[in-house]
Amino acid sequence: DAGVIQSPRHEVTEMGQEVTLRCKPISGHDYLFWYRQTMMRGLELLIYFNNNVPIDDSGMPEDRFSAKMPNASFSTLKIQPSEPRDSAVYFCASRLTLENSPLHFGNGTRLTVT
Amino acid sequence: EDQVTQSPEALRLQEGESSSLNCSYTVSGLRGLFWYRQDPGKGPEFLFTLYSAGEEKEKERLKATLTKKESFLHITAPKPEDSATYLCAVQPNYQLIWGAGTKLIIKP
Repeated sequence: DAGVIQSPRHEVTEMGQEVTLRCKPISGHDYLFWYRQTMMRGLELLIYFNNNVPIDDSGMPEDRFSAKMPNASFSTLKIQPSEPRDSAVYFCASRLTLENSPLHFGNGTRLTVT
Repeated sequence: EDQVTQSPEALRLQEGESSSLNCSYTVSGLRGLFWYRQDPGKGPEFLFTLYSAGEEKEKERLKATLTKKESFLHITAPKPEDSATYLCAVQPNYQLIWGAGTKLIIKP
């Protein structure tokens, strides 16, 4: 399996612009997670899906953030409008189950908002 | 409140110098403790899962152990390629609680 695939790897945008991050989870994994990583706060869970349905979005910082999972092989995280404080590395991860299985991460999207 | 603390924040070792990284946790219940390795510019890579006190797992130069309050990641005779940030995460329910990581540098 190719693992979790994220695109783009890097994104540089200006404040106020819309940003869309994309993720393809590992085939057969029922759970998909979006995380954000910064030096100050470490890894933070933003939202997770089970069978394409959003289960917990309490980590989404503001209404400017939204996530969708239209099918089992694709998810997006959108920021509109973007702000400089959104600069971070965003990871997508998938998991077979919530018990007895590890989380598998993609290589992330490094977002810089100027 | 559920909490995970990793120490030290950073560790510099000479090649071949064995040591241990610590992950201490305070959670209401433990459904699993996970160790990950993260290289610069990459996502965390899964290493081990431990489920109960007394459990141990090994992979090459790494050995993870678990007690009721903490886990250790022992690294034996490390090589420069073992340099990375090592992350610990604890699962008390459905979520993972992450530590801040230990940055390990192995000098040749």
